[in-house]
Amino acid sequence: QEQLVQSGAEVKKPGSSVKVSCKTSGNIFNNYGISWVRQAPGQGLEWMGGIVPVFNRENYAEKFQGRLTIAADDSTSTVNMELRSLTSEDTAVYYCAKDRPRPGGPFDQWGQGTLVTVAS
Amino acid sequence: DIQMTQSPSSLSASVGDRVTISCRASQSVSTYLNWYQQKPGRAPKLLIYATSRLQSGVPSRFSGSGSGPDFTLTINSLQPEDFGTYYCQQSYSSPATFGQGTRLEIK
Repeated sequence: QEQLVQSGAEVKKPGSSVKVSCKTSGNIFNNYGISWVRQAPGQGLEWMGGIVPVFNRENYAEKFQGRLTIAADDSTSTVNMELRSLTSEDTAVYYCAKDRPRPGGPFDQWGQGTLVTVAS
Repeated sequence: DIQMTQSPSSLSASVGDRVTISCRASQSVSTYLNWYQQKPGRAPKLLIYATSRLQSGVPSRFSGSGSGPDFTLTINSLQPEDFGTYYCQQSYSSPATFGQGTRLEIK
């Protein structure tokens, strides 16, 4: 059964980094891409970037270039997202989503979401 | 980046009504237009992809249409469980971008 299970909520200080994991099951890891989409409180959806694990090919939104890393761990079929230099504007629910081999959607399966709170 | 603009921002409708939500792209996205439904506290759910293709398991009262920059999501015979926020999203070019959302309330 295809499934995406994310790590738990995080509270971080401004200037620090956060790492959120997305464990895949079924055939997702070897056949599809994984994208990360975030949603600030009361706001809309924002695509951050994605990876195709089988090709180890990443693609980032320009807005996050330089402070976002998405990496695939073959040994655990997990995709990790690390966001650095956090500010209060990074407070959001972060979702991983099953993507096509070419990142960008449609996203037909989603993780449960991980709340990241950035506060001093 | 391609900007996606939805209208209306919110609407209220009764059970059994036919509801339409519009989405306009700032430039051509061909047919790479997708629709999602999101309920409070939940992850989005894919309803329609490639403009008009119904995602598996989604009720047939949902349909999508459009071409060029203008697209429409239609819900026929609105049901109580259809409340939530609806988003369009283009997957034509990177970065993928979403509309701002349309909040649907059931009267």
